Amino acid sequence: QVQLVQSGAEVKKPGASVKVSCKASGYTFTSYGISWVRQAPGQGLEWMGWISAYNGNTNYAQKLQGRVTMTTDTSTSTAYMELRSLRSDDTAVYYCARLVRVAGWFDPWGQGTLVTVSS
Amino acid sequence: QSALTQPASVSGSPGQSITISCTGTSSDVGGYNYVSWYQQHPGKAPKLMIYDVSNRPSGVSNRFSGSKSGNTASLTISGLQAEDEADYYCSSYTSSSTLAWVFGGGTKLTVL
Repeated sequence: QVQLVQSGAEVKKPGASVKVSCKASGYTFTSYGISWVRQAPGQGLEWMGWISAYNGNTNYAQKLQGRVTMTTDTSTSTAYMELRSLRSDDTAVYYCARLVRVAGWFDPWGQGTLVTVSS
Repeated sequence: QSALTQPASVSGSPGQSITISCTGTSSDVGGYNYVSWYQQHPGKAPKLMIYDVSNRPSGVSNRFSGSKSGNTASLTISGLQAEDEADYYCSSYTSSSTLAWVFGGGTKLTVL
């Protein structure tokens, strides 16, 4: 079955960087995109960006431009999201999700990775 | 990108129907038939319930349906069941940026 499995929880200090992985299985990795969505504690979903697993093209949410980088490793069917210069308001659960079709929908989602930013 | 507008909460009794609205602009909801809906239980990842405004993925109950009129999309759940109690989020493709998406603020559904 189609599945996305993310890396484990992280605790980082302000100013540090974090890199979250998302390993895909059950489908042809390069035929779909991967989007990243985060959810701060008790808050709603926030779209962070998208990467094409086919050619590596990316688009990031304006508020994260310059701090976020999304990459893929097609040899291992794994997507990565790196967020730099972490602040306390970056504390959130980070989800990867398969993007079905350009301008499409997100299905399925990974289990989520909690990133805590604290001094 | 600004978030889509959803009611903070809705409620209904078992067996009843409820509708959750999702209001955007002509740059997102009103401009494209690319609205999707997600269900999220506490501590769990979101689950796709509706895509492209009104299409239901295989495995999702036909009690869930979607529609759109102008800049407002709606999710209707009929025959409410206890397990429907969850948070619901709408999402839309948006032309405010190349290949970008926006989410609603989420609606907490309580089954009384």
